[in-house]
Amino acid sequence: EVQLVESGGGLVQPGGSLRLSCAASGFTFSTYEMTWVRQAPGKGLEWISYISSGSASIYYAESVRGRFTVSRDNAKNSLYLQMNSLRAEDTALYYCVRGGWYAQYWGQGTLVTVSS
Amino acid sequence: DIQMTQSPSSLSASLGDSVTITCRASQPINTWLAWYQQKPGKAPKLLIYKASSLESGVPSRFSGSGSGTDFNLTISSLQPDDFASYYCQQYNSYSWTFGQGTKVEIK
Repeated sequence: EVQLVESGGGLVQPGGSLRLSCAASGFTFSTYEMTWVRQAPGKGLEWISYISSGSASIYYAESVRGRFTVSRDNAKNSLYLQMNSLRAEDTALYYCVRGGWYAQYWGQGTLVTVSS
Repeated sequence: DIQMTQSPSSLSASLGDSVTITCRASQPINTWLAWYQQKPGKAPKLLIYKASSLESGVPSRFSGSGSGTDFNLTISSLQPDDFASYYCQQYNSYSWTFGQGTKVEIK
């Protein structure tokens, strides 16, 4: 069974940093593209970042480029999102997703709240 | 960036009704479109990919159609489990874009 479990969310002040993690199991993680998607409270879905299976290709949404960094450790079956210079508008539920073209599997999400 | 315009934003329907949700892309995306269902407090669930391919395990009352810029998600014979929000998503490039969502409510 495919499982994606996010962690690392929490309350952070504007300008602060957080590192999200996603632990993958039930599939050969190293062969799959991965994506981060977020959803602000009561709002729609927003694509954040993509990373290819071997980390050779990485893309970011304009809204986070230069502040967020995606990475992965295939030996640990883990995906990461380093978030710096956080803003109030980054407040959202962050989902780890398997897939680079569409989201076949989703984690349960980890909530990031940016507030003073 | 490719923009996705989804309509309607909400609709009310009765059990057994057939409903259609529309998504329009700001430029052609071939058939690189997916549809998701999301229930409150849950992660989205993939229903359709490549515009018309039904994801494994998804009931056949869900169907997708379209290509280029205009796409539809049709739910035939609404069931109690289908009252939820639905989102389209384009993947013509590595910059995904989602539609604004459609909330399907019970009439």
